[in-house]
Amino acid sequence: GQQLNQSPQSMFIQEGEDVSMNCTSSSIFNTWLWYKQDPGEGPVLLIALYKAGELTSNGRLTAQFGITRKDSFLNISASIPSDVGIYFCAGRPPGAGSYQLTFGKGTKLSVIP
Amino acid sequence: GAGVSQTPSNKVTEKGKYVELRCDPISGHTALYWYRQSLGQGPEFLIYFQGTGAADDSGLPNDRFFAVRPEGSVSTLKIQRTERGDSAVYLCASSPDAGGNEQYFGPGTRLTVT
Repeated sequence: GQQLNQSPQSMFIQEGEDVSMNCTSSSIFNTWLWYKQDPGEGPVLLIALYKAGELTSNGRLTAQFGITRKDSFLNISASIPSDVGIYFCAGRPPGAGSYQLTFGKGTKLSVIP
Repeated sequence: GAGVSQTPSNKVTEKGKYVELRCDPISGHTALYWYRQSLGQGPEFLIYFQGTGAADDSGLPNDRFFAVRPEGSVSTLKIQRTERGDSAVYLCASSPDAGGNEQYFGPGTRLTVT
């Protein structure tokens, strides 16, 4: 099946620093989504991307849909303690009926106050 | 408004027993999905419903797993003859239409098979 490689696996940063994480795939996706998951909770949708090259922001978060349709990145600016959590990328493959999402393994973010 | 809800939040069962996990999607959402998340992994797709019918069940690992959505709203994931390898968090998501681009997740049910 399709695999999403998400990196880094984990990162420790100082409060106030910017963060960057990315996701790559061996095959193309029509949609890229970024989710954040807190312990004991389900993933919460942060940003959805629908077109190659698209750059979308949500507050301090910015994400881009790669031109090749095989990658995406997420940036968080001026990190704060509540940014702590696991960030997942997810992609939806092309093709009618392909409604399932393929998820990466996540990037665990720790913010040092 | 209310998000996706799942019950129970935790379920401990003995190997070989039958379990049912329930999902209440966001009101008005026609599409419903089940995923399974093992420790340290991202969610993995199990099954997708559009309305009452299972449009894609390609992610169900074997015939011990079955899901229904009889009235096009609440869904139940059923696992027969549970095995220790079934232990995971079972997540439900819903989306407003068949497009499925924006899926909203519930808090999950943590299943532990002893």
